[in-house]
Amino acid sequence: DIQMTQSPSSLSASVGDRVIITCRASQSISNYLNWYQQTPGKAPKLLISAASSLQSGVPSRFSGSGSGTDFTLTISSLQPEDFATYYCQQSYSTLWTFGQGTKVEIK
Amino acid sequence: VQLVESGGGLIQPGGSLRLSCAASGFTVSGYYMSWVRQAPGKGLEWVSVIYSGGSTYYADSVKGRFTISRDNSKNTLYLQMSSLRAEDTAVYYCARSPTWNYGLYYFDYWGQGTLVTVSS
Repeated sequence: DIQMTQSPSSLSASVGDRVIITCRASQSISNYLNWYQQTPGKAPKLLISAASSLQSGVPSRFSGSGSGTDFTLTISSLQPEDFATYYCQQSYSTLWTFGQGTKVEIK
Repeated sequence: VQLVESGGGLIQPGGSLRLSCAASGFTVSGYYMSWVRQAPGKGLEWVSVIYSGGSTYYADSVKGRFTISRDNSKNTLYLQMSSLRAEDTAVYYCARSPTWNYGLYYFDYWGQGTLVTVSS
């Protein structure tokens, strides 16, 4: 199975901060990498597909980059509604896997 | 598009349970449909997928114990779970994946989830 490792596992940040979350795959996955946001008690929400394609309706302060094994999710200016847990997910192999999540908390 | 899970509840270890996911606004047979679970306070774990063509795949943690299926006439996805263990306790979500970009599969719609608790 392809293992997905996110870092950091959690971070504290202030409104307006630039936040970067990384996701590393145990083998090359091309750009078959997606990002989700989850708030407590809710289902995850798709933010970015194919490593860098922003989903319709997602604010432009979110961006994704990377290819191969290393990927990043960047929030350019953190807003109050962005405090949540973020997950990466790969679909390169037939057994899909998620990263362990990164919790973004208020500083 | 709507996905509504049902069938969760309290079940003893070793028992069986069947989850359902009723879909509306689209046809389940035209998409890849998955089950994703989340143990209390933990992260997301992909469990299983059924392709539009009918092929099925499972995470190693559930292979041989869980079976994914669908009923096209009812537009419903199922997850038959057997030999349940305490570590299967989780909220189970069904989720849809469009298939128009080969190899790139993401979950664009999710249900609200149904809680399965395995405990004596």
